[in-house]
Amino acid sequence: KNQVEQSPQSLIILEGKNCTLQCNYTVSPFSNLRWYKQDTGRGPVSLTIMTFSENTKSNGRYTATLDADTKQSSLHITASQLSDSASYICVVSAFGANNLFFGTGTRLTVIP
Amino acid sequence: NAGVTQTPKFRILKIGQSMTLQCTQDMNHNYMYWYRQDPGMGLKLIYYSVGAGITDKGEVPNGYNVSRSTTEDFPLRLELAAPSQTSVYFCASSYLREGQETQYFGPGTRLLVL
Repeated sequence: KNQVEQSPQSLIILEGKNCTLQCNYTVSPFSNLRWYKQDTGRGPVSLTIMTFSENTKSNGRYTATLDADTKQSSLHITASQLSDSASYICVVSAFGANNLFFGTGTRLTVIP
Repeated sequence: NAGVTQTPKFRILKIGQSMTLQCTQDMNHNYMYWYRQDPGMGLKLIYYSVGAGITDKGEVPNGYNVSRSTTEDFPLRLELAAPSQTSVYFCASSYLREGQETQYFGPGTRLLVL
């Protein structure tokens, strides 16, 4: 069964600290993996997208890694800011237009 | 570009009422999607469309209908609203480039069925 699991479910960190969010998946055949940021009450916004051949991609203070062998991805946030408080969703795509599998997200809260 | 726009932002329905959630994109994307997101849960695909005139069911289509008469618009219809349809609804559109899909989401419509 195609599944995407994220951990932790929620996380609270101090402003300025780093954190890492995890995503494990069993989606096959794998096409790509994306990380989205979803602010409360808003639609998700894409942060990174990685294909099978990519094992790291950065977008400012966000760095995503992908290990296609172990089917794991992580999102590392450096020097967190209050505006990083949001849900972070891992989405894995199998080939085909409707084959997107969503994790339930990690709720990150950055406190001053 | 305005991107993906959704209306209304918020709506309260009584059980048995009907309504249409509007979604429009101005990026000339072929693919469009409707998702629902329940509190603390991941997004679930309701319906999707790969182009004008073509629609197909997603994971949770029961109680909903869609149409795609133009590339820009992808309305979602609820015929007999039920409390189980209380959720936040997101519309998205996407395009394929070199085999990779990039998806853009609208701001969401919050629906409460009482």
